[in-house]
Amino acid sequence: AQSVTQLGSHVSVSEGALVLLRCNYSSSVPPYLFWYVQYPNQGLQLLLKYTSAATLVKGINGFEAEFKKSETSFHLTKPSAHMSDAAEYFCAVSDQGYGNKLVFGAGTILRVKS
Amino acid sequence: EAGVAQSPRYKIIEKRQSVAFWCNPISGHATLYWYQQILGQGPKLLIQFQNNGVVDDSQLPKDRFSAERLKGVDSTLKIQPAKLEDSAVYLCASSLRRLAGGTDTQYFGPGTRLTVL
Repeated sequence: AQSVTQLGSHVSVSEGALVLLRCNYSSSVPPYLFWYVQYPNQGLQLLLKYTSAATLVKGINGFEAEFKKSETSFHLTKPSAHMSDAAEYFCAVSDQGYGNKLVFGAGTILRVKS
Repeated sequence: EAGVAQSPRYKIIEKRQSVAFWCNPISGHATLYWYQQILGQGPKLLIQFQNNGVVDDSQLPKDRFSAERLKGVDSTLKIQPAKLEDSAVYLCASSLRRLAGGTDTQYFGPGTRLTVL
């Protein structure tokens, strides 16, 4: 069975500092990996996805993530945090089989301090 | 392009009552998903439709939850009777198609926040 672990339920950074949100996955088959962002009282918005092409994936709003098979990780980074980045971030995994089911991590709430 | 629409946005009911949520996916999207997001947890898939057929309902509590997608467009999720532990946000998502050996971006609606007292 697939699973996702997000390390740190809350992360706090200063505006302009590096953002690093950690995600480790477990999958018996080569995975597809996703990062979604959720602002208060809104649905989830896709930031980026890895689908077995380039291991470094660039997404919207300056975010990127690197797939590391040896570490079973897919950490999300952004060089410089902005106040508008404050939200909850979810990592998700999907298998490459016939199906599109997403298994989500528990989420990480990002706080950006001025 | 209009996004995924859901209603109501908020609902408060007492335990043992029934409730229904409605979802209208993005036009042309064949696949529709219902997720349950309990506070402090990530979304969990309840049921997945491909057009008007059920693809996966393995995590749907079928003794109290039901869902349908008539005509392969909009969908309704019902809970009857509701329990305290059903308090959650119910998210609807849609994707263009279900690919063999591939994946497809899921687009999420704003969700319905259910409180069971």
